[in-house]
Amino acid sequence: AQTVTQSQPEMSVQEAETVTLSCTYDTSESDYYLFWYKQPPSRQMILVIRQEAYKQQNATENRFSVNFQKAAKSFSLKISDSQLGDAAMYFCAYRRGATNKLIFGTGTLLAVQP
Amino acid sequence: KAGVTQTPRYLIKTRGQQVTLSCSPISGHRSVSWYQQTPGQGLQFLFEYFSETQRNKGNFPGRFSGRQFSNSRSEMNVSTLELGDSALYLCASSVRTSGMYSGANVLTFGAGSRLTVL
Repeated sequence: AQTVTQSQPEMSVQEAETVTLSCTYDTSESDYYLFWYKQPPSRQMILVIRQEAYKQQNATENRFSVNFQKAAKSFSLKISDSQLGDAAMYFCAYRRGATNKLIFGTGTLLAVQP
Repeated sequence: KAGVTQTPRYLIKTRGQQVTLSCSPISGHRSVSWYQQTPGQGLQFLFEYFSETQRNKGNFPGRFSGRQFSNSRSEMNVSTLELGDSALYLCASSVRTSGMYSGANVLTFGAGSRLTVL
């Protein structure tokens, strides 16, 4: 069975600094997708970034980028120039290619200090 | 473009009662998935519906059921509520379903329905 592990329950970063959130996953599949979702206090789950496993190039969305290490089954999220609005719970998620079922990690609560 | 709408946002029930939650997907989205979020178990997949058919099901007891209507709106029902059913129930919609070319599929979530069972 596929599993997703986030080993950092909480992280803190100063405004304008850079922070990296860790995620590892376990799968024997070759066709899969990885996601980072953000859940602010409003509880609305918002997609931050997506990575296709077949792509070697790391995905980037403005201040958000990932470090995808397929062999190591690692998928970390880097947030540059952190802003107060980045404070939220961040979930790493895995989806096998042929399904819509997301498997989530336990989340990392990110605090941004002014 | 309106997002995924879930109703009610908050509700309180007592043990043994049943509850129905509603989800209206983004216009044009035909797949609706449901997730349960609790502090203890985290986010867990409940089921997915597409074209009024259940396409995928998570590991939940039969008390949890759902359905989808011809307009793609979906409801989930929990019967004989237990204290452990207290959770945030999230609905997500997407264009494609499992088995179709899901590669580019992205799930968009609603704000959730917060269920408290007393």
